[in-house]
This record gives sequence, structure tokens and C-alpha cells, in this order.
Amino acid sequence: GENVEQHPSTLSVQEGDSAVIKCTYSDSASNYFPWYKQELGKRPQLIIDIRSNVGEKKDQRIAVTLNKTAKHFSLHITETQPEDSAVYFCAATLNDYKLSFGAGTTVTVRA
Amino acid sequence: DADVTQTPRNRITKTGKRIMLECSQTKGHDRMYWYRQDPGLGLRLIYYSFDVKDINKGEISDGYSVSRQAQAKFSLSLESAIPNQTALYFCATTGPEETQYFGPGTRLLVL
Repeated sequence: GENVEQHPSTLSVQEGDSAVIKCTYSDSASNYFPWYKQELGKRPQLIIDIRSNVGEKKDQRIAVTLNKTAKHFSLHITETQPEDSAVYFCAATLNDYKLSFGAGTTVTVRA
Repeated sequence: DADVTQTPRNRITKTGKRIMLECSQTKGHDRMYWYRQDPGLGLRLIYYSFDVKDINKGEISDGYSVSRQAQAKFSLSLESAIPNQTALYFCATTGPEETQYFGPGTRLLVL
């Protein structure tokens, strides 16, 4: 099956700075890569996703990039705000409706 | 997101007891999943079902069983609970677009 590794496990940034989380995947046939945000005590929620036919996607302050050759994808958050503090999960799927999740990154935005 | 609900939200039980966690959804999705979340391990798939007659094991199914009573209902059972099954359990559903919608979670403590 698919194996997804996520780094770093924790990330502390100053408010207003950028945050970058990186994930690698093992199966070159994976074609869908979502990112989920989980606030403390809440359920994971989709924040952005990308498919294998696209190299980059943006939505306001967040963006995701995909490098199929290297089998890695990254989440970029610009101009971080306190409400960006959460656990972020990357995931990958082989178009079989089963997601393999990374272990998560705890992001703390310092005021 | 009240479309996916889980009961109970919190449960304390003793080693050896049988317990059932229930999930209901009003999204009309065929695909339903059970995950457990442990600190530092992300979300790991226990079981999944793509329709009422379809049940599949995930990566950590040992010690668990499931029942898909209807399109809208998917239950997870621990036949004989053990302390290392203490975790946060999430139910999720997926529609045609592959986005997973999570329930609010059930926090389980096995003493």
C-alpha cells in the first residue's frame, strides 16, 4: 500500500512568517493529495487538495505544490495568523478512495 | 459539520468489555470509514465499506469488527477491549469527489 511520510512533526513560526510542511509518498501511481487541518478538539477538515495533473494550487494564503518525479508534495502557508495553529495532515491515494495519511505536523503560530 | 455524527462522544470502559461505537451520516454517501488517531501516528484506517454489502479491512483491523447496517450507518465494535485500544476514533464518509468528511470523534479510554 501507499506510505506517506510527513516532516516536520512540529513547527513553530512567528506570526506573519511562512510555514512549509513537506510530505513524500511511495507509490508513483498515487494521483490525489489532500491536506487536512485539525484544530484542537475538532475533527480534521479538508483545506486544499491537488491532483497529479497539476503542479501547484493556491487558495488565498495557502498553496500546495506537487513534484511527481521526486514523489513529494508540500503545503505552504503565508502570512501566518494565530488561527493557523493546528495539526496538519497530508494524505495520498491511488484513486481507490482510500487515503493514506502522514503522521501530522503540529503548527504553532507565536504572536 | 452535523452531516456525520458519532455516538458516544466519550467512553470509559474496562479491559475485556465489549463496546460499540456508532456512526451515522446524512450526506447520502456510499463510502464510509473508521480511523483511529494516536499522538504522533496520524490517522490509521481500521475498516472501510464502499456499500452496504462491502466490508474491507484496513491497516489495523485486529481486535475490531464492523457492521454496515444501512447506507447511512456504520458501527465499530471492540469485542474485548484492551488498554492499547485507548485512542480517538473517527468515522468518515466520502462522496464522488474523494473529499473525506469526518465525524466529531469518539474519545475512548480502556482501563
